[in-house]
Amino acid sequence: EIVMTQSPATLSVSPGERATLSCRASQSISDNLAWYQQKPGQAPRLLIHSASTRATGVPVRFSGSGSGTEFTLTISSLQSEDFAVYYCQQYSSWPPLTFGGGTKVDIK
Amino acid sequence: DVQLVQSGAEVKRPGESLRISCTASGYRFTSNWIGWVRQMPGKGLQWMGIIYPGDSETRYSPSFEGQVTISADKSTSTVYLQWSRLKASDTATYYCARLVDNWGVPYWFDPWGQGTLVIVSS
Repeated sequence: EIVMTQSPATLSVSPGERATLSCRASQSISDNLAWYQQKPGQAPRLLIHSASTRATGVPVRFSGSGSGTEFTLTISSLQSEDFAVYYCQQYSSWPPLTFGGGTKVDIK
Repeated sequence: DVQLVQSGAEVKRPGESLRISCTASGYRFTSNWIGWVRQMPGKGLQWMGIIYPGDSETRYSPSFEGQVTISADKSTSTVYLQWSRLKASDTATYYCARLVDNWGVPYWFDPWGQGTLVIVSS
């Protein structure tokens, strides 16, 4: 089973600042990585797939990078609606499809 | 638009059985995997298993194998998640989600259902 580790667990950022979230895989997953955003009381929403491809309707301030075992989600200028929990998910090897533990982005 | 609509919240006693549903619309139901994901209160996402409605092939996470049953009904474009004997530790929100795939290999989840809260308490 591929283990996904996200860091930090919580990231405190001021509106307008840049946020950088990390996701590490226990073995190489090429670019087989997705990112999701989950707001309180809502279902997760796909943001990024294939490590760096934005899903339909996702603002350009969200960008993904990385390959192999190290991945980054960057939010270039945080808006109020971006404060949420973010999860990464690998689909390189299954079953199981595995998620990271999540990073909560809250207001500094 | 592709849409997944889940059944409503449930409150059950330990030992009871339960089946929750996820009804798909807006695409060919038999052509994509659909998966179930558990989120325990205040916790992260756990992949439970997936089903391919076209032939009902089902795969489970080792953590959930034997604990739940996933099934599909092509006539109503509905996928089910079923428990025969609930435990208090099954208390969680359960999400269904369609999987985008490539030649039948499941990739990422999109879109997601709204979630079904299941509370198991004596």
